[in-house]
Amino acid sequence: DTVLTQTPLSLSVTPGQPASISCKSSQSLPQSDGKTYLHWYLQKPGQSPQLLIYEVSSRFFGVPDRFSASGSGTDFTLKISRVEAEDVGVYYCMQATHVPHTFGGGTKVDIK
Amino acid sequence: QVQLVQSGAEVKKPGASVKLSCKASGYTFTNFGIHWVRQAPGQRLEWMGWINTGSGNTGSSQNFQGRVTIVRDTSASTVHMELSSLTSEDTAVYYCARDRGFRAYDLWGQGTMVIISP
Repeated sequence: DTVLTQTPLSLSVTPGQPASISCKSSQSLPQSDGKTYLHWYLQKPGQSPQLLIYEVSSRFFGVPDRFSASGSGTDFTLKISRVEAEDVGVYYCMQATHVPHTFGGGTKVDIK
Repeated sequence: QVQLVQSGAEVKKPGASVKLSCKASGYTFTNFGIHWVRQAPGQRLEWMGWINTGSGNTGSSQNFQGRVTIVRDTSASTVHMELSSLTSEDTAVYYCARDRGFRAYDLWGQGTMVIISP
């Protein structure tokens, strides 16, 4: 299986400050169709996960532009330019290039 | 309202099977695939399998060694997932999620808690 390793495990951020999460894959994620199926989700406390970013860097509908993401190959990053209180929760990267689809271990973000 | 509504919590004994449902509403059911993902206590999210709701074709993770069966009922806009030969390691919250079309899950059910207990 493709292993996704997220760092850090947790982040405590002052509101208005930036945050960055890394996701490294054990296998290259670009597929033969030219797409890279690496996505990011946020699971807020007590809720189901919600899609933030799809295909490496595209923000899903309604996701604030303070969220951005980038990467290629095996290394990917999610950035929050200015963390707000509503951003707390666990962030997961997920790859759907290889079967089975797999998730990172999660990065817990809270507010200082 | 566009949503996925899952069936209620289950308590099962080891060796039994559990069948969960996921009812879609507010969109054309057969236009989007449905995936099943579980989250065991303290574990990362784990993909179980999926169904193409239009064709009925399925795929599942070999990590479940053939224990996962996914079917759809287009007349009821519902997907069912059955997990057999349950053990304590199957205790988890089970989610269904809609495939937006680029293998990203844009709509999730509320989750179903399954507890395996002797």
